[in-house]
Formats: sequence, C-alpha cells, structure tokens
Amino acid sequence: DIVMTQTPLSSPVTPGQPASISCRSSQSLVYSDGNTYLSWLQQRPGQPPRLLIYKISNRFSGVPDRFSGSGAGTDFTLKISRVEAEDVGVYYCMQSTQSPYTFGQGTKLEIK
Amino acid sequence: EVQLVESGGGLVQPGGSLRLSCAASGFTFSYYHMHWVRQGPGKGLVWVSHISGDGSSTAYADSVKGRFTISRDTAKNTVYLQMNSLRGEDTAVYYCVRGGRPFPAYWGQGTLVTVSS
Repeated sequence: DIVMTQTPLSSPVTPGQPASISCRSSQSLVYSDGNTYLSWLQQRPGQPPRLLIYKISNRFSGVPDRFSGSGAGTDFTLKISRVEAEDVGVYYCMQSTQSPYTFGQGTKLEIK
Repeated sequence: EVQLVESGGGLVQPGGSLRLSCAASGFTFSYYHMHWVRQGPGKGLVWVSHISGDGSSTAYADSVKGRFTISRDTAKNTVYLQMNSLRGEDTAVYYCVRGGRPFPAYWGQGTLVTVSS
C-alpha cells in the first residue's frame, strides 16, 4: 500500500497569514495515463470531508482561490495564502492512483 | 445536485452484523463507481471498499476483507455495505463517496456504527 505522510500534524496560524502543509507518498503517484491523482480535502468539525484540490493543483468547484496545490512525483504541498477563521479544521492528502486508496494522517489547522 | 444519504448505522455487539445503505440521487447511478470510507472516533480517514458501476468488480481493504460485502441495486440507486463479524475497531462513521473524476468530490453525511457490548 502507498503510505501518505503529512507534516506538520498541527499548525497554529494567525488570521491573514499563510499556511502550508506537506504530503509525501512512499512511491510515485504518477498513473499510467500520465496524471497524478493526489487530492487535498478539508474536514471542518462535525462535517464530512470536502474536496479542495484534485490532480495536485486543480481547485474544485466553489473552492476559494486562496487555496493552491503544487508538487510532483512523491512530494506535494497545500498552501493557504491568507488564512481565515473558517479554514479551521483538519486537512488530508489522499492518493487515488493505486488501490487501496490511502490518506495522510491529517493536519489540524488552528487559529492562534 | 448530487446527494448521498447513508443509513443503517447503530449499536451492535461484537460478532454481530449490520447493513449500511447509501441512497444516491442527482446523477446517473450506473455510470459511477461507489466507495465506502470510514473514520474512527477522533481518527483519520480510511478507504474501506468500492464497487464498479455495473457491480461486476469490487475491492476491499485488508482489514475488512472476508467480513464486509459491498453491493449495489441500480433500480433503487442504492449501494450497500454488509458488515459481518464486527469488531470494536470497526467502530466509525461510515461515509458513502461517489467515484469518478475528480475524486473524491461527493460525500454523504455519514452514518455511525458502534460495536460494543
């Protein structure tokens, strides 16, 4: 199975400041079709997960442009340009390149 | 609008069985794989199982293989997860997730399964 490792596991951020979360996979996430199926999800307290970013850097419908994704191969990053109070929650990276699909441990974003 | 509504969760004793349902609407059900993902209390997300659009292909996480069975009924636009020989570590919120790209774009609200004596 592909292991997804996120850092940090907790991130206190001041509103208006940037935040960054890293995700590393134990093997390349490039699929045979040339795409890299790495997604980022946000889970607010008491809510189901919500897709933010797919295929490394594509924002899903309705996701604010302060969220961006980057990376390649085995190393990926989610950036929030200016954190807002509503961004509080847990963020997960997830790979759907190879079954079984696997998630990172989650990074808890907290407001200072 | 895509909607996924899970039901069937509850309290069950170790060794018992439970069947979860996920009613889908807002899309052509037979076109899409369907998945179950679970989240233990205070824990992260774990993929459990998926089934192809025509029901001919299934896959399971090692932790549930041989105990859980995924199925679907196209006439009812519903996917099921039959869970047998339940253990304490199966306690979780179970989410139904639509397949297709981008993935995983659509999630249900989840149904809580508690395995305890």
